[in-house]
Amino acid sequence: EVQLVESGGGLVQPGRSLRLTCAASGFTFDEYAMHWVRQPPGKGLEWVSGISWSGASIHYADSVEGRFTISRDNAKNTLYLQMNSLRAEDTALYYCAKATGNSWLSPFDHWGQGTLVTVSS
Amino acid sequence: DIQMTQSPSTLSASVGDRVTITCRASQSISRWLAWYQQKPGKAPNLLIYQASSLESGVPSRFSGSGSGTEFTLTISSLQPDDFATYYCQQYNTYLFTFGPGTKVDFK
Repeated sequence: EVQLVESGGGLVQPGRSLRLTCAASGFTFDEYAMHWVRQPPGKGLEWVSGISWSGASIHYADSVEGRFTISRDNAKNTLYLQMNSLRAEDTALYYCAKATGNSWLSPFDHWGQGTLVTVSS
Repeated sequence: DIQMTQSPSTLSASVGDRVTITCRASQSISRWLAWYQQKPGKAPNLLIYQASSLESGVPSRFSGSGSGTEFTLTISSLQPDDFATYYCQQYNTYLFTFGPGTKVDFK
């Protein structure tokens, strides 16, 4: 059974940093692209960032480009999101999501339950 | 960037109704479109990929159609478990985009 378990969320002051972690199990992690998607409270879904199976291809939404860094450790079956210079508008539930394939042109077939990031002074 | 719109934003329906949700892309995305269902407090669930392919385990009352810039999600006979919010997503480019969502609630 595929499992994605996010952690690392919490309350943080504007301008500070936070690192999210997604522990994956139940599938061959290094064969799939992985993504982060966020959802502000009561609002819709926003794709944040994605990384190819090898880590060679990485992309970010304009809203986080230059502030967030996605990475993966295939030996540990773990996905990361380093979030710097956090803003109030980054407040959201952050989901880790698995692509259906190793191609970038793949939707997301499994999601974690999310970790809540709240940016407030 | 490709923008996605959905209509309606809210849809009131009854059990047994045929329901159709429309998603439009600001430029052609071929058939690189997915539909997700999300219930309150839960993560999204993939229903349809590549515009019309049904994800494994998803009931056959769900169907998708369209290509280019206009797509539809149809629920042939709405069931109690289907009251939820539905999102379309384009994955045609390196920057994915979701639609704003359509909430299906009780009439």
